[in-house]
Amino acid sequence: SQQGEEDPQALSIQEGENATMNCSYKTSINNLQWYRQNSGRGLVHLILIRSNEREKHSGRLRVTLDTSKKSSSLLITASRAADTASYFCATGVLKAAGNKLTFGGGTRVLVKP
Amino acid sequence: KAGVTQTPRYLIKTRGQQVTLSCSPISGHRSVSWYQQTPGQGLQFLFEYFSETQRNKGNFPGRFSGRQFSNSRSEMNVSTLELGDSALYLCASSLGDRATAEAFFGQGTRLTVV
Repeated sequence: SQQGEEDPQALSIQEGENATMNCSYKTSINNLQWYRQNSGRGLVHLILIRSNEREKHSGRLRVTLDTSKKSSSLLITASRAADTASYFCATGVLKAAGNKLTFGGGTRVLVKP
Repeated sequence: KAGVTQTPRYLIKTRGQQVTLSCSPISGHRSVSWYQQTPGQGLQFLFEYFSETQRNKGNFPGRFSGRQFSNSRSEMNVSTLELGDSALYLCASSLGDRATAEAFFGQGTRLTVV
């Protein structure tokens, strides 16, 4: 079963608009990571937010984490056609030994020029 | 710094055969994890190796196995292939010195079972 559930499943926006996607999870986590995947290729790491952090920025990306609601959001500002991809959240589970990420189902983002 | 390298990129096998996939992690990374991605099940964790030891295992049948060598390179093997094993297999490496550190993925091996 998947730890993270992402919403929406698909998103279509115009270039220059902002894109927001959400991720909910079920158990306590150590951190939450966001990844991008282009057309069935490898995953590109975007940002990691730890459970004791509430917000993090990286370029045009802003991630928030609300551990009380067990949810996170990824905001892409001023989107570009090159941002067209699938975006996944992945949770690292608290107290788990080693590295094991549990992925959500992903949000497919289409940025129209 | 070279990224995670997976070979081969594409593979076509027949049902019943076995297959071995290879992953070379980023230099200095000691943890290698494997994931299977399919349209129906999404991204699922297979197993993780750290210092040649399997540290975590997902919910996959025993036909799926792996190993890690002293140079941190890892291989995964799938025996008695089934049509449902067709998937993109992704390898991720991380420093591995604490739980769930940042993971860097390779481009994947796309396996097609016919």
